[in-house]
Amino acid sequence: EVQLVESGGGLVQPGGSLRLSCAASGFTVSSNYMTWVRQAPGKGLEWVSIIYSGGSTYYADSVKGRFTISRDNSKNTLYLQMNSLRAEDTAVYYCARLRLRAGLDYWGQGTLVTVSS
Amino acid sequence: DIQMTQSPSTLSASVGDRVTITCRASQSIDTWLAWYQQKPGKAPKLLICKASSLESGVPSRFSGSGSGTEFTLTISSLQPDDFATYYCQQYNTYSSLTFGGGTKVEIK
Repeated sequence: EVQLVESGGGLVQPGGSLRLSCAASGFTVSSNYMTWVRQAPGKGLEWVSIIYSGGSTYYADSVKGRFTISRDNSKNTLYLQMNSLRAEDTAVYYCARLRLRAGLDYWGQGTLVTVSS
Repeated sequence: DIQMTQSPSTLSASVGDRVTITCRASQSIDTWLAWYQQKPGKAPKLLICKASSLESGVPSRFSGSGSGTEFTLTISSLQPDDFATYYCQQYNTYSSLTFGGGTKVEIK
């Protein structure tokens, strides 16, 4: 069974850092395109970042230069390192698998990041 | 970047109604469009991929159509379980995935 479990969210002050984890089971992270999507309270979905199976990474303009997506193949885990956090980064962060030519077919349950002093 | 515009943002309907949601892309995305359903406090669920292909297990009352820049999601007969928020997403460009703003389907 495919499962994605996020962790690492919490309360952080503006300017601070946080690393989110997404542990996968039932498939191999490194063989897939993996994404992070976030949702601010009461708002819509916003794509954040993607890592290709080949290792290329891309980011939304809103997080470019501050966030870094990566993976640990030995742990079958996806990460999102978030630096220089701002109030507008407050959101539930989801990891999701991109099934090529299809869309985001598996999602985690989400982890809440709150940026506030 | 490709912008996705959904309409309406809110839709009030009754059980049994036929419901249509529209999604427009700022440039052609062929049929590289997905539709998701999201319920409060839950992760989105993939309903339709490639504009019109129903995911396994999704009821047949859901259908999608369109290509290029204009797409629609139709629920042929709204059921109580369908009250939720729906999002379109383009994946023509994997390096910059974008979602529509969402359509909340409410009980009339």
